[in-house]
Amino acid sequence: EADIYQTPRYLVIGTGKKITLECSQTMGHDKMYWYQQDPGMELHLIHYSYGVNSTEKGDLSSESTVSRIRTEHFPLTLESARPSHTSQYLCASRTGGNTGELFFGEGSRLTVL
Amino acid sequence: AQSVTQPDIHITVSEGASLELRCNYSYGATPYLFWYVQSPGQGLQLLLKYFSGDTLVQGIKGFEAEFKRSQSSFNLRKPSVHWSDAAEYFCAVASDSWGKLQFGAGTQVVVTP
Repeated sequence: EADIYQTPRYLVIGTGKKITLECSQTMGHDKMYWYQQDPGMELHLIHYSYGVNSTEKGDLSSESTVSRIRTEHFPLTLESARPSHTSQYLCASRTGGNTGELFFGEGSRLTVL
Repeated sequence: AQSVTQPDIHITVSEGASLELRCNYSYGATPYLFWYVQSPGQGLQLLLKYFSGDTLVQGIKGFEAEFKRSQSSFNLRKPSVHWSDAAEYFCAVASDSWGKLQFGAGTQVVVTP
């Protein structure tokens, strides 16, 4: 069983609020990722990190930001949420190399009213 | 650019019947291919992966997949489905040496009694 945790699982907030989605893993993985998932659509990579103090934007442009101050922690922040940010956000981590399994958290479902 | 296509958005299958989910990829080099499953309200779980060697890969939960380079396909199969196999299934390809995954749009599987 994967040791990667996301909080909150569900969040409903109003437009303009600042939110942070938390992601933590206890496996010591260097690489971490945030994917955005809409119903019936593929997962889109929005952010990734190869280690502490490393963050990169993914293939899908996102107004969110991330930080990686500690290996185990990779939070995602929206400074001012809008209805267009309504989606499911999935955090994942893996060991080094491109053959390692990607472990996913259970997701954070965000609804912005 | 790499891409993954899952032609079937939705499949309905009777319990005990066989299941095949299609996946086609576009990738210049030798692909690293994955199948993930997502149950409602959950994150993604790895079913199986292909990197090299035997083109028939065995995974968890009785699933297998066959890599066919000539057809650029990596179809997932199960000889006899169980009601617990109802879920969404995602095919993915590792898009670079850092392990970023490109996902297909997913196939929703419904299992009827």
